[in-house]
Amino acid sequence: DTGVSQDPRHKITKRGQNVTFRCDPISEHNRLYWYRQTLGQGPEFLTYFQNEAQLEKSRLLSDRFSAERPKGSFSTLEIQRTEQGDSAMYLCASRRRGESNNEQFFGPGTRLTVL
Amino acid sequence: AQKVTQAQTEISVVEKEDVTLDCVYETRDTTYYLFWYKQPPSGELVFLIRRNSFDEQNEISGRYSWNFQKSTSSFNFTITASQVVDSAVYFCALSETGFQKLVFGTGTRLLVSP
Repeated sequence: DTGVSQDPRHKITKRGQNVTFRCDPISEHNRLYWYRQTLGQGPEFLTYFQNEAQLEKSRLLSDRFSAERPKGSFSTLEIQRTEQGDSAMYLCASRRRGESNNEQFFGPGTRLTVL
Repeated sequence: AQKVTQAQTEISVVEKEDVTLDCVYETRDTTYYLFWYKQPPSGELVFLIRRNSFDEQNEISGRYSWNFQKSTSSFNFTITASQVVDSAVYFCALSETGFQKLVFGTGTRLLVSP
């Protein structure tokens, strides 16, 4: 049973550049989440997909952020015109269908550094 | 509004000591779920336990135990006979029925020295 995978693991970019991250959930999981974690803080919810439908977005997700899950499998998170404040760990999690509010399984994260 | 408070920023213990990590939560819902996750230095969040609001039974899993008390809105986590491998940041989290997101506390860093 492979876990949640994320790519890349690390990304360094210059301010103003666009970046895209990918998340591959556990295969039978239909729910996928994105969180952001800054140093010394807990993860903060960004957005949530059930299959290919994006059902909830946090106010943290400014219009420079966009997430997709086109076929209900992998997901991408794009940040346009990156700012230094976007530097953080971006975590993806997935959850299987069925039992209410069962646990989310997290990937290793993508650490973004904006110079 | 949902909120999780982990007042202990960092705890240092010596191996074999018992340690309790505190978690206090706020929610207006009567049905909700509580979680603990471990984040070792590698960074990946590891699920430890889930509790729903109707189940106040304490739980023990090996050296780990959890004390859920609705009267004080607390869900505390105890590690018995701590080991160096327990060194990590531990997060308590909450989710409400119908909402899918987890709301995390700020975490407690546990340092276990030999």
